Order: sequence, then structure tokens, then C-alpha cells
Amino acid sequence: AQKITQTQPGMFVQEKEAVTLDCTYDTSDPSYGLFWYKQPSSGEMIFLIYQGSYDQQNATEGRYSLNFQKARKSANLVISASQLGDSAMYFCAMREYGYNFNKFYFGSGTKLNVKP
Amino acid sequence: DGGITQSPKYLFRKEGQNVTLSCEQNLNHDAMYWYRQDPGQGLRLIYYSQIVNDFQKGDIAEGYSVSREKKESFPLTVTSAQKNPTAFYLCASSMGPGDSSNQPQHFGDGTRLSIL
Repeated sequence: AQKITQTQPGMFVQEKEAVTLDCTYDTSDPSYGLFWYKQPSSGEMIFLIYQGSYDQQNATEGRYSLNFQKARKSANLVISASQLGDSAMYFCAMREYGYNFNKFYFGSGTKLNVKP
Repeated sequence: DGGITQSPKYLFRKEGQNVTLSCEQNLNHDAMYWYRQDPGQGLRLIYYSQIVNDFQKGDIAEGYSVSREKKESFPLTVTSAQKNPTAFYLCASSMGPGDSSNQPQHFGDGTRLSIL
């Protein structure tokens, strides 16, 4: 079974609007972390935000927030007030702290296009 | 500044040739990784290493080899057995267990490998 599932291969959003990128995960480890990365067309991977499985509040970093629904095993990334520079691939990733701490699982990514 | 350095940025391989991609980190991270990314696709794990002189196969290890003789270095060799090596290769590192549970992987800027 897929550890991380991103069901939106591509999305469009109008500049200055908010957008939600979906991510669901599969694990039986009670302790895990969820990460979101941005990959512009130049290729580098930029870390955006982290959510731990025991965190009581949803993570926020500037215009990025994570809508963490533990019971549904979803960790959706919300980008508020989209900018043209947000156009990129976005990857959700997970790290299980009990089983193999050093292994990260990545989703297939969502390509976001911000329209002017 | 600490980081991960990948070289070269672009690499061309002739038929039947082995080529080696360099990855060096000065973050004092225990774990290092190699990923392959095809155009418009997600990251696929080739090999990872949790400590010096130890490494594990990822999902697509066939046709690749690695070594981890020093903590700072994790070179990847693309052998002639890899029949379709054209891709973008990303090296990453991460901290080990302890107080690093919320720390993401750090990535290099990647190497683009093409067949001549």
C-alpha cells in the first residue's frame, strides 16, 4: 500500500486566492512526522512545514498551514494569498519514528500553477 | 554555511560507461540518501545510508551502486547496467534519532544525467 497519496496531479489557482493541496498517509506507527516540500522548476527541494503526530495544533509557517486530521490520516497543505512564485511541484512526505527512523516516504506530488 | 553539495550539475553518459555522481554534506548528518526523479514525477529512493560503511537498497537500486566511507560523502555510481539513466538525481541527508524528530531532510541542488 502507498504510504503517501497525493491525488491531485495538477491544480490551478488564481493569484491572491487560497489553495489546498491534499495528502493522505498510511501508517500503523503512533509516532510519525509529516513534511511538505516545494520544488520549483529549477529542481531544488525547499522544506515548507512540519507536523508531528502528537502535535495538538495545526502547524503554520507564514502563508503555509497544515490542516492535520489525524483520524482521517490526512495532512493537507493550505497556501493562503497565492503568489506567482508559488507555482511549483509540492511533495508531501512522512517519517515513521518507530519502525525505520531514517526512511522518508514521498508522495507523487501536485503541480500547482498560479494564474495572474 | 552548512549544506549539501552535488556535482556535477549536468552529466552526460556514453553507452556502456559508468559515471559517478558526487554528494558531500557538512551538516554532520548521520543519514544520507539518493533519489531519482523523472520529468513530472515524484522522488524514488535508490539507496540510503544510516551510518558510515553501511547502506540499504531503496526501491530502484538495480543498476546503481554506492559507498559510504566517510560521514560527509555518499557518491552514487550509475553503472552500464542501468539502461535508462536519464533523470534528475537528488542527494539528501538527515539527522539521526534524538531531538531531531521534526527536522526535515536537506537536499542538494541535484545532478541532471543524460545519455549521449
